[in-house]
Amino acid sequence: AQKVTQAQTEISVVEKEDVTLDCVYETRDTTYYLFWYKQPPSGELVFLIRRNSFDEQNEISGRYSWNFQKSTSSFNFTITASQVVDSAVYFCALSPGSYQLTFGKGTKLSVIP
Amino acid sequence: DAGITQSPRHKVTETGTPVTLRCHQTENHRYMYWYRQDPGHGLRLIHYSYGVKDTDKGEVSDGYSVSRSKTEDFLLTLESATSSQTSVYFCAISEPSSYNEQFFGPGTRLTVL
Repeated sequence: AQKVTQAQTEISVVEKEDVTLDCVYETRDTTYYLFWYKQPPSGELVFLIRRNSFDEQNEISGRYSWNFQKSTSSFNFTITASQVVDSAVYFCALSPGSYQLTFGKGTKLSVIP
Repeated sequence: DAGITQSPRHKVTETGTPVTLRCHQTENHRYMYWYRQDPGHGLRLIHYSYGVKDTDKGEVSDGYSVSRSKTEDFLLTLESATSSQTSVYFCAISEPSSYNEQFFGPGTRLTVL
């Protein structure tokens, strides 16, 4: 069985602070894929990133960065210099590559101006 | 953005009535999915389709049926709506070769009174 845990239910930061969203996963598959999605207050789900289990390189995209550590089964997401527009619910998800996509329960991030 | 539309976007109905939600895609993706999103549960898979007329159950399929007669359309039916089916419903699409990267529609908010 697969499981994704996002232990932080809600986080509040002041604008320009850095913030890290934690994601811990469980799987018995040797090959799997990890994802982050963003759900802004408007409600749509926006795909942010996919990571393959065989590629542990960290990734940076502008103010966003992702730290994948197989040894601790974690795939954490850091926003540098947060902005009000980053306020959203963020979901971490796990897939063995088939139809199955298991979501965490999400972390609500509020960035206060 | 992936070309995925859902209709209706909002619906209020009464317990015991049948309801059909429609997902339409213009991306010609083979896989389509229906999820529900509820507070404290994240997103949970209801049903999915891996081709025209090929469908299977997800984690929370009781009380729901689906049909896919064309590549572009995936219908979700609540035969007799109950208040526990009040939720936000998301459709998603993916391609088999895409590591299960799923792209989501805008969602349908359903309220069952």
